[in-house]
Amino acid sequence: AQTVTQSQPEMSVQEAETVTLSCTYDTSENNYYLFWYKQPPSRQMILVIRQEAYKQQNATENRFSVNFQKAAKSFSLKISDSQLGDTAMYFCAFMKHSDNYGQNFVFGPGTRLSVLP
Amino acid sequence: NAGVMQNPRHLVRRRGQEARLRCSPMKGHSHVYWYRQLPEEGLKFMVYLQKENIIDESGMPKERFSAEFPKEGPSILRIQQVVRGDSAAYFCASSPQAVAGVGETQYFGPGTRLLVL
Repeated sequence: AQTVTQSQPEMSVQEAETVTLSCTYDTSENNYYLFWYKQPPSRQMILVIRQEAYKQQNATENRFSVNFQKAAKSFSLKISDSQLGDTAMYFCAFMKHSDNYGQNFVFGPGTRLSVLP
Repeated sequence: NAGVMQNPRHLVRRRGQEARLRCSPMKGHSHVYWYRQLPEEGLKFMVYLQKENIIDESGMPKERFSAEFPKEGPSILRIQQVVRGDSAAYFCASSPQAVAGVGETQYFGPGTRLLVL
């Protein structure tokens, strides 16, 4: 079974600064996908960024980028130029690859990020 | 294209009553996933359904919980004889027909917050 760990229950960052959220996972799979989801106070789950395990290049989406270390099973999220609207719970998630059926997410426990003015 | 719809958004039940949660996937999506989020925790997978079929129910409690996704109409998560521990946010996600080799992004609904008194 896969597990996802987020070792930082809470973090804070000053507006306009950079923050990195940690995520590690455990799996025996070789082919899989990793995601970061954001859950603001509205509780809506919003996809931030995704990474295919077979790709060595780290994914980037505007101010959001990841540091994917496959051997270390680490998948951290870096938020640059933090904005007040980035305040939310952030969940790291793992999904196995499947050739036939869809697969469910395995989520970490989350990191609560507060961006301070 | 409307997103994933869930209703009701909030549901209050007394212990022993039944709760029915509905999920209408995005148009063209035939895969539905249900997740449960207990207070201050990450989302936990419950069940994965395709039209008229349960594909994976490994995350469902063995008793009182059931799910269906009929040929016509929304997917239903049913909780019989609710207890206080069932109080949680229940999220539905949908994805299009699974494509081999691709980690399908799941689109989340806004969730149903169940409160058991």
